[in-house]
Amino acid sequence: ELKVEQNPLFLSMQEGKNYTIYCNYSTTSDRLYWYRQDPGKSLESLFVLLSNGAVKQEGRLMASLDTKARLSTLHITAAVHDLSATYFCAVDIGETSGSRLTFGEGTQLTVNP
Amino acid sequence: DAGITQSPRHKVTETGTPVTLRCHQTENHRYMYWYRQDPGHGLRLIHYSYGVKDTDKGEVSDGYSVSRSKTEDFLLTLESATSSQTSVYFCATGTGYGYTFGSGTRLTVV
Repeated sequence: ELKVEQNPLFLSMQEGKNYTIYCNYSTTSDRLYWYRQDPGKSLESLFVLLSNGAVKQEGRLMASLDTKARLSTLHITAAVHDLSATYFCAVDIGETSGSRLTFGEGTQLTVNP
Repeated sequence: DAGITQSPRHKVTETGTPVTLRCHQTENHRYMYWYRQDPGHGLRLIHYSYGVKDTDKGEVSDGYSVSRSKTEDFLLTLESATSSQTSVYFCATGTGYGYTFGSGTRLTVV
């Protein structure tokens, strides 16, 4: 059974600071996704990482994937209040009958002034 | 997302009653999924479909059934709702290159 673990689960940080969210998973996969969710809203796709060593950046967020270590990171640079949200990683374990996602518990990020 | 519509958006129902949630997509995706979201668990897969009349169970399928008679519609049925099925339900479509989620249905079983 695939397990996906995120840490930390709760993160409170000051504006302007940097931090990293970690996503570990328990079985081989080379497809990992990061989503953002605001309270009461749906999931917004942030990054799709489809190979070992993949790195993607959008604004103050950068995601990377190390399939050998079964680890993905989401790095936040110079945080701003607008980044406050819950962030999920999800791993795709595509099998014969189709791909499907297994999610981590989510990291609730609060950026304080 | 404009390509996925879930209905209803909110529902309150009594324990023991049947409930059906609907997911409608306009993108002609082959794969469709139902997830539930609960605090401390992230999203967990209930059932998924890989084509018309082709469905399979996810990790939390007990108490749920699904049907897909048309490409665009994927129905989730709670045969006899229980309080433990109070949750937010998300439908999704996609493949390994990316997944899109609907706006969710907030279901409360009293």
